Amino acid sequence: KAGVTQTPRYLIKTRGQQVTLSCSPISGHRSVSWYQQTPGQGLQFLFEYFSETQRNKGNFPGRFSGRQFSNSRSEMNVSTLELGDSALYLCASSPGGEVTNEKLFFGSGTQLSVL
Amino acid sequence: QQQVKQSPQSLIVQKGGISIINCAYENTAFDYFPWYQQFPGKGPALLIAIRPDVSEKKEGRFTISFNKSAKQFSLHIMDSQPGDSATYFCAAFLMNTGRRALTFGSGTRLQVQP
Repeated sequence: KAGVTQTPRYLIKTRGQQVTLSCSPISGHRSVSWYQQTPGQGLQFLFEYFSETQRNKGNFPGRFSGRQFSNSRSEMNVSTLELGDSALYLCASSPGGEVTNEKLFFGSGTQLSVL
Repeated sequence: QQQVKQSPQSLIVQKGGISIINCAYENTAFDYFPWYQQFPGKGPALLIAIRPDVSEKKEGRFTISFNKSAKQFSLHIMDSQPGDSATYFCAAFLMNTGRRALTFGSGTRLQVQP
């Protein structure tokens, strides 16, 4: 089985721009979560999508948004980029559903640099 | 509010030694405690995990010890190898709500010297 695929691997943007990151979960997985990783704040939860619906959201401003498509692929968007948005953005997938499944599988992330 | 505190920040161990990383949590509602291993340029990978109704879980050279009353848990890596050099994150999870929001510790950079 292919793992979680995130594209692009690296991105360089300037302040004020917007960016869209993509995540393809493991085949058959219906839940996709996004995390931000920075040296200062560590790993922080952004949001989770299941069956095209946002099921849970972390404490990030509204500039951070996401969506999930019918094939479970997910995108996250950051608008009006700030320097502090520079981070590794990680996507994680799991089978999802009502039966809780603790095994999250992470992709290698998208490294975003905001200049 | 940091809900999961991890220590030490960095750790150097000789090959064959025991690596010990400690975590403490605040929210007693957490009911699942995984450890993740992350190599440079890669995402975190699940290493081992424990539920609070178990005091210890062992998988190969990796052992989690869990102390529910103290709200602490730790990772022990026996016979540490240079290939174990990575950053380790403890985490806590609210399984019962079905919400897959991991709260991570701040990470421990482990270096195993040959």
